[in-house]
Amino acid sequence: GESVGLHLPTLSVQEGDNSIINCAYSNSASDYFIWYKQESGKGPQFIIDIRSNMDKRQGQRVTVLLNKTVKHLSLQIAATQPGDSAVYFCAENWGDATGNMLTFGGGTRLMVKP
Amino acid sequence: DAEITQSPRHKITETGRQVTLACHQTWNHNNMFWYRQDLGHGLRLIHYSYGVQDTNKGEVSDGYSVSRSNTEDLPLTLESAASSQTSVYFCASSNGGGNTEAFFGQGTRLTVV
Repeated sequence: GESVGLHLPTLSVQEGDNSIINCAYSNSASDYFIWYKQESGKGPQFIIDIRSNMDKRQGQRVTVLLNKTVKHLSLQIAATQPGDSAVYFCAENWGDATGNMLTFGGGTRLMVKP
Repeated sequence: DAEITQSPRHKITETGRQVTLACHQTWNHNNMFWYRQDLGHGLRLIHYSYGVQDTNKGEVSDGYSVSRSNTEDLPLTLESAASSQTSVYFCASSNGGGNTEAFFGQGTRLTVV
């Protein structure tokens, strides 16, 4: 079936460096793609989303890139900090005026070394 | 402040028992979801609801049921708990439409022995 997945299960970076987390998807019908952050013992927390008709969106220290040609999504974190250590999930959103639904990938653990 | 809460946070039950996990949100969101999270599988959708009296099956709905009698609550029931249902369960809610942000509860760790 159609799914959302991740290339790397664990990413280790030095504090201050930039981080790039990648995700592949297969459902071309999704209208939004979203990144969630999950810290240990907590529920996932929304970071940023990007609409399917865009290829780049920037937030505070984060940038999401969408390449629909190769069905690839990435999350870039600038100047990675220890507080960024968490598991990051990409998700695809689809639905209609009635409601929306999220399908999640397997997650990438980001470890920030001081 | 609006929030979404799950209870209990931890639960140990025996095989064959019926278990109900509570989820309560004060966002007044129409959409509510239940996910389970297991190592190697990420978050998998169990059931979801788009409004009162509306319930739908997700990817892994076998052995689970939900009911939506009001906007605030979506309890998840395990009809006859099995060891394969040992997992961390997350409830989420969202406004729907063009708003993609879903708010998650803190999770319930369920162990079936």
